[in-house]
Amino acid sequence: GENVEQHPSTLSVQEGDSAVIKCTYSDSASNYFPWYKQELGKGPQLIIDIRSNVGEKKDQRIAVTLNKTAKHFSLHITETQPEDSAVYFCARIRGGSYIPTFGRGTSLIVHP
Amino acid sequence: GAGVSQTPSNKVTEKGKYVELRCDPISGHTALYWYRQSLGQGPEFLIYFQGTGAADDSGLPNDRFFAVRPEGSVSTLKIQRTERGDSAVYLCASSAGPQSFGETQYFGPGTRLLVL
Repeated sequence: GENVEQHPSTLSVQEGDSAVIKCTYSDSASNYFPWYKQELGKGPQLIIDIRSNVGEKKDQRIAVTLNKTAKHFSLHITETQPEDSAVYFCARIRGGSYIPTFGRGTSLIVHP
Repeated sequence: GAGVSQTPSNKVTEKGKYVELRCDPISGHTALYWYRQSLGQGPEFLIYFQGTGAADDSGLPNDRFFAVRPEGSVSTLKIQRTERGDSAVYLCASSAGPQSFGETQYFGPGTRLLVL
């Protein structure tokens, strides 16, 4: 189908460690892959995105990698801080569409 | 400037009642989306407006759900004959254009609907 599988559902790390969240998809026409951070009681906030013509994108401590052949993309957070604790969602959009399909989310807990 | 706002922040209603949820997008944003988010799930698309018209309402679960955006700014999501299964957080988002064209989507804080 067109679902996005996201793993793990929960991730617990120590402050300073790295965190990796992975998503897989099946629709080969997908060409835009945003990542969102959602804090308790708030709406999701875009933190980074990547298009299908790029394999990797980095923004300070956050990076996203995309493997179109294998149909998976990952979020990497380095030097985690307690304020990184939140639920993270991956999403994908098919080319020519405007409807994102979201993963089920990963609850990241960073212990000080 | 102001972000996307949604009112009310919380709504408790009884089964069978009618509810209206309001979204004020960022000024000048032509694209507006409604999503529903159940506990432990990602947002689920409901409807997309480009200007005043509903460009895609394929995510609305049934005919009890309806949304309008009469002047291309504020939008209202209307739910008739509410059911307990409608309980969720309803999120609104706006962008300067279609997200697939690179426009960032900005979400509001959501309205938490509880149907008793």
